[in-house]
Amino acid sequence: KAGVTQTPRYLIKTRGQQVTLSCSPISGHRSVSWYQQTPGQGLQFLFEYFSETQRNKGNFPGRFSGRQFSNSRSEMNVSTLELGDSALYLCASSFTTGGSGEQYFGPGTRLTVT
Amino acid sequence: GENVEQHPSTLSVQEGDSAVIKCTYSDSASNYFPWYKQELGKGPQLIIDIRSNVGEKKDQRIAVTLNKTAKHFSLHITETQPEDSAVYFCAALPRSYNTDKLIFGTGTRLQVFP
Repeated sequence: KAGVTQTPRYLIKTRGQQVTLSCSPISGHRSVSWYQQTPGQGLQFLFEYFSETQRNKGNFPGRFSGRQFSNSRSEMNVSTLELGDSALYLCASSFTTGGSGEQYFGPGTRLTVT
Repeated sequence: GENVEQHPSTLSVQEGDSAVIKCTYSDSASNYFPWYKQELGKGPQLIIDIRSNVGEKKDQRIAVTLNKTAKHFSLHITETQPEDSAVYFCAALPRSYNTDKLIFGTGTRLQVFP
């Protein structure tokens, strides 16, 4: 069974630009969660989508948004990029929602904002 | 809100020795505790998890123990090998804050020297 895939793997953007990241979950998984990982803050939860609906949201500004499609693929968008948005963005898929299902992470997208 | 503390932040052991990583959580109603291993350039990989209705779970060289009274859980790796070198994260799923998101510890960098 193929794992979670994320595209692109690396991205360099300039302050003020916007970016869209993509995540394809494991086949059959309907939940996709997004995390931001930085050396200083560790793994921070952004949001979770299940059956095309946002189920949960972390404490991030409105510049961070996401969506999920009918095939469970998810996208995350960050508008008006700031230097502090440089991070590894991870998505994780799960068969069930609610956090108690086993979550499987993708390799991440390394975003650098200059 | 829920908090998960993880110790130590770094751990160096000789190949063949055991390694123990400890985490404490604040929400006594937390009921799911996964452990992840993250190698350089990769996303976190789920290696073992435990639910609140059991006290110990073992899978070959790794085991996790849970003490609900003390609100802490630990990862034990026996007969360590150089390929065990990675960053390990614990996580807990709180139940008292009307949220379904995993809260992660800050990570432990394990180095196994041959």
